Amino acid sequence: GQQLNQSPQSMFIQEGEDVSMNCTSSSIFNTWLWYKQDPGEGPVLLIALYKAGELTSNGRLTAQFGITRKDSFLNISASIPSDVGIYFCAGQLVNNAGNMLTFGGGTRLMVKP
Amino acid sequence: NAGVMQNPRHLVRRRGQEARLRCSPMKGHSHVYWYRQLPEEGLKFMVYLQKENIIDESGMPKERFSAEFPKEGPSILRIQQVVRGDSAAYFCASSPEDLTGARGYTFGSGTRLTVV
Repeated sequence: GQQLNQSPQSMFIQEGEDVSMNCTSSSIFNTWLWYKQDPGEGPVLLIALYKAGELTSNGRLTAQFGITRKDSFLNISASIPSDVGIYFCAGQLVNNAGNMLTFGGGTRLMVKP
Repeated sequence: NAGVMQNPRHLVRRRGQEARLRCSPMKGHSHVYWYRQLPEEGLKFMVYLQKENIIDESGMPKERFSAEFPKEGPSILRIQQVVRGDSAAYFCASSPEDLTGARGYTFGSGTRLTVV
């Protein structure tokens, strides 16, 4: 089955620093998504990417859909304490059979004030 | 505008008992997805349902697990004769009929099942 490798598994950074995390896949996806999960909650969508090569920003977040359609990265600039949480990439293959997501293993972000 | 509602939020069951997890999709959404998250891992797809139909159950164990999404009422994920390895967070997501991709893909807050 499809697998997503997400790295790093965890990061401990100082407030104000920039953060970068990425995902690679053994298969092609036609949509890449980045979610954030807070403790005890479900994932919340941060950014969705729909075209190979697409670069999209959402405030301090920037994500790119790799040109090969097998990878994506997420950058967070000028981190703040509320950025703490687990970030997941997810690949989606939208077709007539449905639009299930394949998730990476997550990047646990800790921000030191 | 209520989101995806899951209940209970926490469920404790003894080994061998049955667990029933409920999911009410967002208003107007007719597609429901169930995912399982083991501790320290990402979410894994289990089953995809539309009203009264199971579309894809390729991620759901063949034994002891079943899912339904009746014409009226919430979607139910049922786990019979639970074992310790079933302890996990179970998330439901819903999307509208036109399947416009992840923009319509909203997750609930999950049910945390603990088997003792």
